[in-house]
Amino acid sequence: DIVMTQSPDSLAVSLGERATINCKSSQSILYSSNNENYLGWYQQKPGQPPKLLIYWASTRESGVPDRFSGSGSGTDFTLTISSLQAEDVAVYYCQQYYRSPPTFGQGTKLEIK
Amino acid sequence: EVQLLESGGGLVQPGGSLRLSCVASGFTFSTYAMTWVRQAPGKGLEWVSTLSNSGDNTYYADSVKGRFTISRDNSKNTLYLQMNSLRAEDTALYYCAKDRMGGVWSAIDYWGQGTLVTVSS
Repeated sequence: DIVMTQSPDSLAVSLGERATINCKSSQSILYSSNNENYLGWYQQKPGQPPKLLIYWASTRESGVPDRFSGSGSGTDFTLTISSLQAEDVAVYYCQQYYRSPPTFGQGTKLEIK
Repeated sequence: EVQLLESGGGLVQPGGSLRLSCVASGFTFSTYAMTWVRQAPGKGLEWVSTLSNSGDNTYYADSVKGRFTISRDNSKNTLYLQMNSLRAEDTALYYCAKDRMGGVWSAIDYWGQGTLVTVSS
């Protein structure tokens, strides 16, 4: 199985500041035939189901604010929130869908400093 | 508007069975692969099973293989998860989820609110 490891486990950032969450896969999830990284990012607020933010590692889902961005390729990926808002407090998960079983990272809890 | 409405969760004894259902609306159900993901209390997300849009291809996590069966009725826009030989470690909130694409594999773009399964004597 492909292991997804996120860092840090938790993060406290001041309002308006940048938040960065990292995700590392145990093997490359870049599919050479289409040059796509099979990685998604999800946001889960307390008591709610997850919400898709980013797919193909860097494509923002419709309706997601542009302060959220994804980057990286191969095995190393980053979710960046450029200017943290109060409503961004949540747990964030990365997921690879390159190979079965699709696997999630352990989650990163983002709080306000 | 895409909606996924799960039902069928509840309290069951170890070794028992449950059948979860998920009624979908707001999209052409038969076009997309569908997935079950679970989340144990206070824990992270765990993929359980995926079914292709046609129903021909099924995939399971090793932890549930041989005990759980995923199926769909495209005429009823409904996804199912038959869970047998339940164990305490199956206790979780089970989410029905829609894949972005028809074939496997893709990101999940819509999630239901979940149905809680508790396995306990």
